[in-house]
Amino acid sequence: RKEVEQDPGPFNVPEGATVAFNCTYSNSASQSFFWYRQDCRKEPKLLMSVYSSGNEDGRFTAQLNRASQYISLLIRDSKLSDSATYLCVVSLNTGTASKLTFGTGTRLQVTL
Amino acid sequence: NAGVTQTPKFRILKIGQSMTLQCTQDMNHNYMYWYRQDPGMGLKLIYYSVGAGITDKGEVPNGYNVSRSTTEDFPLRLELAAPSQTSVYFCASSYTVRYNEQFFGPGTRLTVL
Repeated sequence: RKEVEQDPGPFNVPEGATVAFNCTYSNSASQSFFWYRQDCRKEPKLLMSVYSSGNEDGRFTAQLNRASQYISLLIRDSKLSDSATYLCVVSLNTGTASKLTFGTGTRLQVTL
Repeated sequence: NAGVTQTPKFRILKIGQSMTLQCTQDMNHNYMYWYRQDPGMGLKLIYYSVGAGITDKGEVPNGYNVSRSTTEDFPLRLELAAPSQTSVYFCASSYTVRYNEQFFGPGTRLTVL
């Protein structure tokens, strides 16, 4: 089983649609969780951290279920500019540093 | 602030050549990381550093070496380049361990022929 597994893309949605991405992780000791966004041929950039209580940032909502080891990202009112690959990232502190484990990403294509 | 900068942006190497990928950050971050990203794969950690003079292996360190003489710089050295090292290399930095929000450089696209 992969350490971090994501929905296989690509997701093709019309502008204005709501889309949800799911992610599961295998190490129950994982402590921090993130969604990163990566545009084509660019570096990953932090989209949002994911907290146990869930959190929202504008059109983006992230949820964490520690019992099920499941993370989700909901994008409402999709824009063309949301087209990118979304990486689910899980962090485990090793004492002196944190080990980030990246999912392979889910590609989103928003169309007119 | 420039953030994390990497040079070169692109490089083609012949098998057996060596090179150094440069990484610099101006955010005074203690923690720095090198990743590689292969097509369709998640980023894999090569080496990391928790401060000047301290480095440690990540998940895929074979064929690479690093040094950290200053807080700002974290170069990655490839000795005896092999086709399997064809990849996109990202350098990243973070300020804290606890929440570990990492900031990435623009990447170096390396091809070994």
